[in-house]
Amino acid sequence: AQSVTQLGSHVSVSEGALVLLRCNYSSSVPPYLFWYVQYPNQGLQLLLKYTSAATLVKGINGFEAEFKKSETSFHLTKPSAHMSDAAEYFCAVTADTGRRALTFGSGTRLQVQP
Amino acid sequence: SQTIHQWPATLVQPVGSPLSLECTVEGTSNPNLYWYRQAAGRGLQLLFYSVGIGQISSEVPQNLSASRPQDRQFILSSKKLLLSDSGFYLCAWRSASGGPYEQYFGPGTRLTVT
Repeated sequence: AQSVTQLGSHVSVSEGALVLLRCNYSSSVPPYLFWYVQYPNQGLQLLLKYTSAATLVKGINGFEAEFKKSETSFHLTKPSAHMSDAAEYFCAVTADTGRRALTFGSGTRLQVQP
Repeated sequence: SQTIHQWPATLVQPVGSPLSLECTVEGTSNPNLYWYRQAAGRGLQLLFYSVGIGQISSEVPQNLSASRPQDRQFILSSKKLLLSDSGFYLCAWRSASGGPYEQYFGPGTRLTVT
């Protein structure tokens, strides 16, 4: 079974500041990890994915995430926040077994202050 | 390219009324299909998934049901809605063949049960 914990339901940063959204996972088998973004009243959009090819993963909109097995973490970062980054972000995990459905964290709402 | 559609976009229904939400996918064959519910301020809860026509797996016991009458059509239904059925319903698909198993989401349906 897999699980995801996102630390911090709300994160606020200033425009131009570093964005760091935390995600820790639990999985009994090698995981696949994902970050999604959701804007108000919209579906989820895939930001990036970890597939074991590289521990540092680059995604869309300048986001990247680093897989750290020893820390069971997959934190999302962006060097410089933009007002358009304000949204809710979800970390998700799945494994190469069973139903392969995604298990989501509870989400982190990112607020960007001008 | 693949596209996923959901309708209606919004729905207001009285308690005890029936429900039918539809999801269709274009540009792919034999996808795995998923229904999620997102309650206000909460993460995503997997409701149903399907690996093929007529094959439905339920994740959460409730008064909802799902059907897959065609390869790229997934329907969520209820005979009698409850207040607790209110939420944002998301349909998703993923390729049935190979990893890394990312899912792609539709625009969602906002259901309010009054």
